[in-house]
Amino acid sequence: QSVLTQPPSVSGAPGQRVTISCTGSSSNIGAGYDVHWYQQLPGMAPKLLINDNSNRPSGVPDRFSGSKSGTSASLAITGLQADDEADYYCQSYDKSLRVVFGGGTKLTVL
Amino acid sequence: QVQLQESGPGLVKPSQTLSLTCAVSGGSITSGPYYWSWIRQHPGKGLEWLGYIHYSGSTYYKPSLQSRVTISVDTSRNQFSLKVNSVTAADTAMYYCASAHNSDYFDYWGQGTLVTVSS
Repeated sequence: QSVLTQPPSVSGAPGQRVTISCTGSSSNIGAGYDVHWYQQLPGMAPKLLINDNSNRPSGVPDRFSGSKSGTSASLAITGLQADDEADYYCQSYDKSLRVVFGGGTKLTVL
Repeated sequence: QVQLQESGPGLVKPSQTLSLTCAVSGGSITSGPYYWSWIRQHPGKGLEWLGYIHYSGSTYYKPSLQSRVTISVDTSRNQFSLKVNSVTAADTAMYYCASAHNSDYFDYWGQGTLVTVSS
């Protein structure tokens, strides 16, 4: 069981908007630690998608956005495309466990 | 652009020590803001942080694995290493090295190397 909780799967049709939640606690996200998001395409290493809650690294399309509130964070993907189909992970810091990841969410583009 | 490349045996026997090295290119391992990290992924599962090291030698480990994991750095070779002692089948995983900017987020990743623990 991951310290950060994500839905196992989400899906959407091309062009639609989907969101992926990441729920933590007062020991991690709620303590003020930043949340980061990664995209892992099939058979590939993870790639940084969003850092520091809402910052997009260079090269990441603005269809991807992140937000954080209280003990939770969210990743939103608009204008869904077929090549967005991947696993998405949130990551933060926990006072006891140090670096923690969410369990991952599989995005299916219908 | 920093690049990382893992290397090491793909097969380790139970009870032995798993040893991997990550070569860093395109940048210096002594770059101040970076912590050099190991992350693994069990087959079909999520990501698990194992630990990281600063070039100064400061190391931080996942508490539940601290007794079995050692991360070291070789600044002369611009590389860092992972050792996991007393491995079992539960240590079978894809192992990634990555750079952690300000020990915060992981911005560069290696391609990963699969390690299988089996006799």
